[in-house]
Amino acid sequence: NAGVTQTPKFRVLKTGQSMTLLCAQDMNHEYMYWYRQDPGMGLRLIHYSVGEGTTAKGEVPDGYNVSRLKKQNFLLGLESAAPSQTSVYFCASRGPSGRGNEQFFGPGTRLTVL
Amino acid sequence: AQTVTQSQPEMSVQEAETVTLSCTYDTSESNYYLFWYKQPPSRQMILVIRQEAYKQQNATENRFSVNFQKAAKSFSLKISDSQLGDTAMYFCAFMFRDDKIIFGKGTRLHILP
Repeated sequence: NAGVTQTPKFRVLKTGQSMTLLCAQDMNHEYMYWYRQDPGMGLRLIHYSVGEGTTAKGEVPDGYNVSRLKKQNFLLGLESAAPSQTSVYFCASRGPSGRGNEQFFGPGTRLTVL
Repeated sequence: AQTVTQSQPEMSVQEAETVTLSCTYDTSESNYYLFWYKQPPSRQMILVIRQEAYKQQNATENRFSVNFQKAAKSFSLKISDSQLGDTAMYFCAFMFRDDKIIFGKGTRLHILP
């Protein structure tokens, strides 16, 4: 039982390049979330999904797109990376039974955009 | 806009002391959930404690307890008998009706030997 995994763990991009971050969970969770963590800013919600085939915007969605084609996977895309997107990205998942359920987090992806 | 505010960016206490981290939030909802998460230097996010707004009793998990003041929209975390392993960033988080979860900016806690 791997929990929540993120691929890749580290990545360096040049401005304008594109990439996709993959989040996978093996807990059959309905809800999945993408956050970014910047110094002094805490975790900010980018996009989230309440089930397969659904996505919704969070606090800071601009410059990112997401897809949830399979229940276990939640993809975060950067179409044209900018230095302002340099950050640590965390994925999380949560089960369906009540809103008090714990979020399980992945280990994070450190992205640097030059 | 619904917000979560942690007013203490950084704190230091001696080992074995008690420390309280503050969190306030702003919402017009009547039922919601609040959380405290811990992020040690390993960067892994770990749930410390959770509280349901309709429950008046404050949640407790071993050395960790909360002081939940619904009218004041305050949700502080108390760590008793602090240990070196408690050194971490602590984040307060709020879950809205639409399943969005918003985090505060965090408090960096140092436990000194």
